[in-house]
Order: sequence, then structure tokens, then C-alpha cells
Amino acid sequence: QVQLVQSGAEVKKPGASVKVSCKASGYTFTSYGISWVRQAPGQGLEWMGWISAYNGNTNYAQKLQGRVTMTTDTSTSTAYMELRSLRSDDTAVYYCARDLREPDVWGQGTTVTVSS
Amino acid sequence: DVVMTQSPLSLPVTLGQPASISCRSSQSLVYSDGNTYLNWFQQRPGQSPRRLIYKVSNRDSGVPDRFSGSGSGTDFTLKISRVEAEDVGVYYCMQGTHWPSTFGQGTKVEIK
Repeated sequence: QVQLVQSGAEVKKPGASVKVSCKASGYTFTSYGISWVRQAPGQGLEWMGWISAYNGNTNYAQKLQGRVTMTTDTSTSTAYMELRSLRSDDTAVYYCARDLREPDVWGQGTTVTVSS
Repeated sequence: DVVMTQSPLSLPVTLGQPASISCRSSQSLVYSDGNTYLNWFQQRPGQSPRRLIYKVSNRDSGVPDRFSGSGSGTDFTLKISRVEAEDVGVYYCMQGTHWPSTFGQGTKVEIK
């Protein structure tokens, strides 16, 4: 079955970077893009950006421009999201999801905690 | 950015009774290909979001038929015909027509 499996929880200090992985299975990886969405504790869902698994094209949310990089490794069907210069308000659960306009399959989420 | 406004934000319902959630967008969600990319998600406590409805009214596989979506342009509705205990959670609308995609604030459904 179609599945996205994310890497485990991370604890980082302010100013550090984090890289979250999202491994896809059950479908042709390059046929769909991967979106990244985050959810701060007790809050709603926030769109972070999207990457085409076909050609690597990206689109990032304006508020994260310059701090976020999304990449893919088609040899392992894995997408990555790196966030730099972490702040306390980056503490959230980070999700990957298949597709841009109609995200149908979601990963289990990766908790990133930013704390000194 | 397109603003998605849900109402109500909290919805206490009696088991077996209907429930309805409204979602309004600040711009038309009709895309250049003629489709309207309006999705509904359910998020149960401690779980990832689960898509229920796509393109306004198409139910995902495995979603009970008590869930239905309707609407057009800027005005959309998710209805639950008879609420069951497993329907407790937060429901989000999301538009994928305009970049960046945006979500509504969420509607918390609880049992009275």
C-alpha cells in the first residue's frame, strides 16, 4: 500500500539545523510531488512548501524562504526537508504528504523540539 | 494568500445527529483547468491528518458515506449525516488552487 514513513523525533538548540526524511513506498515516486506541512503544539496546519519528485522543482512558503531546503533522492524514493537557524517557534510536528493540490497520503509526523 | 475561514470553530454534537461545517475562501477556488481544489481533512487526537474529501465532493476510499462535501466558488460545506463516536477530532478545509496552499483554522467536533 502507499506509505510515507518519516524519520524520528529530534531535539535541537536554537540556531541549529534539522533534516527530516520521508521515505515513500507503494507507488512510483517520481509521479507525484511531496508537500511539507507543520503543526505547532495545539495549533492548526501550516503549509511549508512542495517539491516535484520528477524534476526537483520547489516552491517554498514566503515566511520560510532562505531557511528551508527541500530535496529528493529518487534512488531511495526519499524526500528531505532541512530547516536552518531554528527558533523556538519552529517547535512543531512536521508532516510530509503526497501531492500538492490534493495531498492524499500523509506521513506519521516528526516532532522537532527547539529548546536551549 | 487565500484566507480560508471555517465556522464554527467548536461543534458539540449529539451522537446520531447531523453536523455541518462551513468553509469560505477569500478568492474563487476554480483553477485554470476547471477543477476546484478544495479538500477536507479529519485529524483525530494524536494522529496525522486524513483526507476525507477532494475536489469539493469526492469521497476518499474507505470514508463512510455519512460524510459529504458540497459547494462551489468560495463557499463550501462538509456534512456528517449522523455523527458517531469515532468522528471526534478536528476538521480542516484546505485549498490547493492558489499558491501557497492554505488551511482553515480547524473545527473541533466533540460529543455532547
